[in-house]
Amino acid sequence: TQLLEQSPQFLSIQEGENLTVYCNSSSVFSSLQWYRQEPGEGPVLLVTVVTGGEVKKLKRLTFQFGDARKDSSLHITAAQPGDTGLYLCAGVTMDSGYALNFGKGTSLLVTP
Amino acid sequence: GAGVSQSPSNKVTEKGKDVELRCDPISGHTALYWYRQSLGQGLEFLIYFQGNSAPDKSGLPSDRFSAERTGGSVSTLTIQRTQQEDSAVYLCASSLQRTGELFFGEGSRLTVL
Repeated sequence: TQLLEQSPQFLSIQEGENLTVYCNSSSVFSSLQWYRQEPGEGPVLLVTVVTGGEVKKLKRLTFQFGDARKDSSLHITAAQPGDTGLYLCAGVTMDSGYALNFGKGTSLLVTP
Repeated sequence: GAGVSQSPSNKVTEKGKDVELRCDPISGHTALYWYRQSLGQGLEFLIYFQGNSAPDKSGLPSDRFSAERTGGSVSTLTIQRTQQEDSAVYLCASSLQRTGELFFGEGSRLTVL
């Protein structure tokens, strides 16, 4: 059973378009992280959200943590080819023990 | 180096052989994780170390998998009698604390023929 569900699984858009990807769970997270992974590399942290309802912005990326701390979204404005990669959410819940559990990710391709 | 170092970067082995994968975390990071990533998939948790102890081994898929960490630093993941389904990228990450930012290595790509 996947603790974190991410959608969509794949997304192919053109430069300049906006997009939103989602991370959902039936469990409550004490904190949730978003990572981006490029081919041949390990994931790199983008942001950590802790408080329900929290919104964080990182340049053209906007991250939101749900009020109930069970879901999160990542919105990218005016996507660029450099945004291409695998976007992963990860979190710790009461059920996950010590593990930081990852979703399967959203693979984003932005074409010029 | 300043980052997490993993070796080998690529390993091709024959079915039934044993392999060892090494992780050298960032100095001072007490938390260390091993994950497995199959092609295009998310990260599957394998094991978590706090210092030299492993309070969470729940992700190890079978008793062919084992890991140790010595001196609160270097960790080795050992896979015995490798099977084709073990083929994946094995990622190591370290952190100052369990729920803090994870710093990942570039991974060890294992191919079992």
